[in-house]
Amino acid sequence: RKEVEQDPGPFNVPEGATVAFNCTYSNSASQSFFWYRQDCRKEPKLLMSVYSSGNEDGRFTAQLNRASQYISLLIRDSKLSDSATYLCVVDTGRRALTFGSGTRLQVQP
Amino acid sequence: NAGVTQTPKFRILKIGQSMTLQCAQDMNHNYMYWYRQDPGMGLKLIYYSVGAGITDKGEVPNGYNVSRSTTEDFPLRLELAAPSQTSVYFCASSYYDSNYGYTFGSGTRLTVV
Repeated sequence: RKEVEQDPGPFNVPEGATVAFNCTYSNSASQSFFWYRQDCRKEPKLLMSVYSSGNEDGRFTAQLNRASQYISLLIRDSKLSDSATYLCVVDTGRRALTFGSGTRLQVQP
Repeated sequence: NAGVTQTPKFRILKIGQSMTLQCAQDMNHNYMYWYRQDPGMGLKLIYYSVGAGITDKGEVPNGYNVSRSTTEDFPLRLELAAPSQTSVYFCASSYYDSNYGYTFGSGTRLTVV
């Protein structure tokens, strides 16, 4: 089993739609969780950290379910500019983060 | 404030050649990392460093070497390049440890022919 697993997509949604991505992780001792955004041929950029109680940043909401070992990202009112690959990132007990392979989102006009 | 700077941005190597990918950060971060990303795949950790003089292997270290003589610089050396090393290489840094998330450089796109 991969340490961090994501549905690769693509998710094709119309502008204004709400879309959700899930990610599962294998190490029950993981403490830190993030969502990164990566545009085509660019470096990953931190979108948001994921906290135990869930957290929101504008149109983006992240949730953590420790019992089921998954994290989620909800994007409301999708914009064309949200089209990107979203990387689920987890600390897996080593001194470096482990990245999922990413979920591709394409928002269509 | 430059953040994390990687050079070169692009490079084509012939099989068997060697090169050094440069990475420098000006944020006084202790931790630095090298990842590679193959097409359609996630990032895989090559090497990391928790401070000057201290380095350790990641998931895919074979064929690479690193050094960390200063806090600012963390070069990645490829010896005897092979086609399997064709990839995009990202350097990243963080202030203390991975719990703070990373700042990435813009990447080096390497092709070995």
